[in-house]
Amino acid sequence: GNSVTQMEGPVTLSEEAFLTINCTYTATGYPSLFWYVQYPGEGLQLLLKATKADDKGSNKGFEATYRKETTSFHLEKGSVQVSDSAVYFCALTLRSGGGADGLTFGKGTHLIIQP
Amino acid sequence: GAGVSQSPSNKVTEKGKDVELRCDPISGHTALYWYRQSLGQGLEFLIYFQGNSAPDKSGLPSDRFSAERTGGSVSTLTIQRTQQEDSAVYLCASSPQQGASYEQYFGPGTRLTVT
Repeated sequence: GNSVTQMEGPVTLSEEAFLTINCTYTATGYPSLFWYVQYPGEGLQLLLKATKADDKGSNKGFEATYRKETTSFHLEKGSVQVSDSAVYFCALTLRSGGGADGLTFGKGTHLIIQP
Repeated sequence: GAGVSQSPSNKVTEKGKDVELRCDPISGHTALYWYRQSLGQGLEFLIYFQGNSAPDKSGLPSDRFSAERTGGSVSTLTIQRTQQEDSAVYLCASSPQQGASYEQYFGPGTRLTVT
């Protein structure tokens, strides 16, 4: 089956620190990869995506590169802010027919940024 | 335009009662997904609709759970004879399913508490 493994938190960093959240996956086919973010009291929002090997997704200073050889999609940011405090979910989906299967999520990483 | 909406936002019910949760997807989105978010299990995929048909019901946890979608738009998730382990946040997402865009846009969720 399909699965996503990500580091579990909480991860606590100081403002302006470098962030890496590791994510690796197993999939029965060729997946599309996503990072979703859930800010306190809010719903899930798409942060970035990559649909094929070596694609780099980026948004709000966050980046992740689709590495097929290592089945990884690690999330990075060069300088985090207090406002980045949230729970981050790595996810994948497989294309089927004319659409895509449901997302398979990792367990989420709670990120806490201290001023 | 409007995002995915769900109702009710909160539902408290007694064990053994039936509940209905509603999802209004983004207009024009052909695919609709239901997920469950709970502390113990994280984010779990429940069911996926393409139009009015459900090609993938693999995530429904038991035969007490059912869902339908009419007119290619609104969907209802029904839980019969609720149990305490059904307590969770139920999330709905929709997707345009066009080309390589398999992004899913999430609603705010319905928090279900079974007492």
